[in-house]
Amino acid sequence: ETAVFQTPNYHVTQVGNEVSFNCKQTLGHDTMYWYKQDSKKLLKIMFSYNNKQLIVNETVPRRFSPQSSDKAHLNLRIKSVEPEDSAVYLCASSHSYEQYFGPGTRLTVL
Amino acid sequence: TQTVSQSDAHVTVFEGDSVELRCNYSYGGSIYLSWYIQHHGRGLQFLLKYYSGNPVVQGVNGFEAEFSKSDSSFHLRKASVHWSDSAVYFCAASIPGYQNFYFGKGTSLTVIP
Repeated sequence: ETAVFQTPNYHVTQVGNEVSFNCKQTLGHDTMYWYKQDSKKLLKIMFSYNNKQLIVNETVPRRFSPQSSDKAHLNLRIKSVEPEDSAVYLCASSHSYEQYFGPGTRLTVL
Repeated sequence: TQTVSQSDAHVTVFEGDSVELRCNYSYGGSIYLSWYIQHHGRGLQFLLKYYSGNPVVQGVNGFEAEFSKSDSSFHLRKASVHWSDSAVYFCAASIPGYQNFYFGKGTSLTVIP
């Protein structure tokens, strides 16, 4: 049963464009995350967001920014995409040290 | 600082075989350890976790994992695998009081029918 929803499933764009990915969770969890998963399946934490407190992985380029309207939503905006941004972006929420993931958004940058 | 390592990048077994996927961690304090499964083209799905108590924890679909403090390990096992168990498995660690999760590099399990 899906409880973390992501849109779109796929997105193809060109270098320099702006993109935005949406994430919503219906689990009532307080903490949400964005991960980047590369072609080798390696997971990299980008952001975590809890009670309006944002924790940023310092290695994340500034063109990436999270946007939250409430604790059920955490969107990801990329201001000017680069080729190395091509990856799968996974949204997750957590409770009691368990994470629940969305299906991911696959970004291809041409 | 803490790390999670999964020594096997790929494991291949036949359907009906048993399998053990290895996970080792390095951290001196209390820790939550968990396993996740990721089928192709999908997000990760929580399997099981351990914090304290019985070192053998049961998860969904016949998976279990055993914690060993002396070996700093949390290996995942299944007695009889099915072709549908083919996926990438991730071990993860969390420190109590903190919200971040530290994932290993994943082990790709292929089950040959």
